[in-house]
Amino acid sequence: RKEVEQDPGPFNVPEGATVAFNCTYSNSASQSFFWYRQDCRKEPKLLMSVYSSGNEDGRFTAQLNRASQYISLLIRDSKLSDSATYLCVVSRILTGGGNKLTFGTGTQLKVEL
Amino acid sequence: GAGVSQSPRYKVAKRGQDVALRCDPISGHVSLFWYQQALGQGPEFLTYFQNEAQLDKSGLPSDRFFAERPEGSVSTLKIQRTQQEDSAVYLCASSLERFDYGYTFGSGTRLTVV
Repeated sequence: RKEVEQDPGPFNVPEGATVAFNCTYSNSASQSFFWYRQDCRKEPKLLMSVYSSGNEDGRFTAQLNRASQYISLLIRDSKLSDSATYLCVVSRILTGGGNKLTFGTGTQLKVEL
Repeated sequence: GAGVSQSPRYKVAKRGQDVALRCDPISGHVSLFWYQQALGQGPEFLTYFQNEAQLDKSGLPSDRFFAERPEGSVSTLKIQRTQQEDSAVYLCASSLERFDYGYTFGSGTRLTVV
């Protein structure tokens, strides 16, 4: 079983739709949580950090449930430019320092006209 | 430089050939990571450097993989006797501090073993 599990999709949604992605993680020692975005043939880029209190950045809302080891991302009023792969990421500090990221497989989103 | 630079951008290797992939992190960044991303998968951790010290290499798939960062800046990932399953994108990332969440990834090197 992978440490971070995501539905690979693809999610095909019309422009303006609301779409939700979910992710579960198995390592309870995980300390920090993120969503990354990866465009085709590009490197991953940080979309937002995820907190238990929930956090919002414009049309994007992320939520963490530590008890259930569950992370979510909600995208409202989706745009064509939101089409990408969304990677759920957990991190923990390595011995001696360094913040190791563990990525899920990614969920592909396609926003259509 | 302004970002993390990786070279070459693309590499085609014949099975059994040795390859070397280079990463130039952002100047002054202490932490440097290598990840391997196979097609349709998320990046997988390979190894971590703090300055010149390789503190974790638990993700290296076999002893054919070797990484170094001798002066604490540029890093090289070497793969000996490449095999088809080594075909992937190899991503390098750096961050300013040891416990920094602000990773910057390079564009990666796409390795194809034929």
